[in-house]
Amino acid sequence: DSGVTQTPKHLITATGQRVTLRCSPRSGDLSVYWYQQSLDQGLQFLIQYYNGEERAKGNILERFSAQQFPDLHSELNLSSLELGDSALYFCASSVDPSGGNTGELFFGEGSRLTVL
Amino acid sequence: DQQVKQNSPSLSVQEGRISILNCDYTNSMFDYFLWYKKYPAEGPTFLISISSIKDKNEDGRFTVFLNKSAKHLSLHIVPSQPGDSAVYFCAANTNAGKSTFGDGTTLTVKP
Repeated sequence: DSGVTQTPKHLITATGQRVTLRCSPRSGDLSVYWYQQSLDQGLQFLIQYYNGEERAKGNILERFSAQQFPDLHSELNLSSLELGDSALYFCASSVDPSGGNTGELFFGEGSRLTVL
Repeated sequence: DQQVKQNSPSLSVQEGRISILNCDYTNSMFDYFLWYKKYPAEGPTFLISISSIKDKNEDGRFTVFLNKSAKHLSLHIVPSQPGDSAVYFCAANTNAGKSTFGDGTTLTVKP
């Protein structure tokens, strides 16, 4: 158990819909990262938040948005869903006391999104 | 442009033998490298890391080697065990705040 909790574990929805994925980081971790893993591909970085502020952005589509709340949990919002958005979405957290990124990430079990 | 590449999608070795997983990178700004292991239906878990100021780091059966001039790192598992069968991801970090991952190598250790 990594200490990172993601909900829901599975989600099936239709094209054009909107979903929200939720992540609770490990206790004490200030940084939250979101990654997307499409079928048989690597982990694509989407976005990072540090202590409530956006810190780094990857190839995140404009239809996607995220935020980190004062209690440090994070939500990833995916809207106008397309078939190609079907993927595993992982949340990870790290201590990052300096806001840098030299340490390991602790991953949740992922949220599997299926868009029909 | 994929900055971290794992050119072997899969690797199969016999139990007790050495497993060598390779990773190449292109960005000279990467200064910290990590390996993660992922079992089905689970998130990746950290395995071992190495700073760019070192060329080797060892932890039990796992050793990571870094060749900065070649922009290449490798993970050696000796001896390999069936429980090591998993997907292994190489990742590279900069101080900009994100880890860049390779596509992973699926290791199968046969009893």
